[in-house]
Amino acid sequence: DAKTTQPPSMDCAEGRAANLPCNHSTISGNEYVYWYRQIHSQGPQYIIHGLKNNETNEMASLIITEDRKSSTLILPHATLRDTAVYYCIVRVVVQGAQKLVFGQGTRLTINP
Amino acid sequence: DAGVIQSPRHEVTEMGQEVTLRCKPISGHNSLFWYRQTMMRGLELLIYFNNNVPIDDSGMPEDRFSAKMPNASFSTLKIQPSEPRDSAVYFCASTLGRTGELFFGEGSRLTVL
Repeated sequence: DAKTTQPPSMDCAEGRAANLPCNHSTISGNEYVYWYRQIHSQGPQYIIHGLKNNETNEMASLIITEDRKSSTLILPHATLRDTAVYYCIVRVVVQGAQKLVFGQGTRLTINP
Repeated sequence: DAGVIQSPRHEVTEMGQEVTLRCKPISGHNSLFWYRQTMMRGLELLIYFNNNVPIDDSGMPEDRFSAKMPNASFSTLKIQPSEPRDSAVYFCASTLGRTGELFFGEGSRLTVL
């Protein structure tokens, strides 16, 4: 399974853009990158995913490098409620079913 | 939709007792996942089902753990006998097809004394 590497923690000022990096240098050509976040003790929440093109939705933007070995999740205007652990995951498909293995993630703290 | 429903939300039991955690996935979803979260090991994938069939149970820690999915709307995770090191939050998640967008329940917090 492709592994991901993320910084353990990051800080960002409220109102600024939060840029969370992820390294997935062993990713295969047909594997997607997914981002989730977990606020306090709640269940993880899906944010966004992509294959090789940049993606944007109402929550965030995902920038994937051309060689697909790394990606960056961007929260354009971070708020205090964005304080959470953010997980970058490479999805694997096994026997027609997908498998998502969470790493340690990045603990993002938004400061007022 | 009510989302993924897990029960119980909290359980405290004594070592050696049997524990059964329950999960009702979102209606129409055909994949179901069980995860365990602890401070030391983070979020671990225990087992996942596709169309009620277990696909990969390599994450199940040992024979004391078992999971079933008798139908599309119900799954159980059983620990027998339980041990203190099983104390964790157990999450159930479901999804449809290969979207990769998992919907998680609120978790079951297990404490084994």
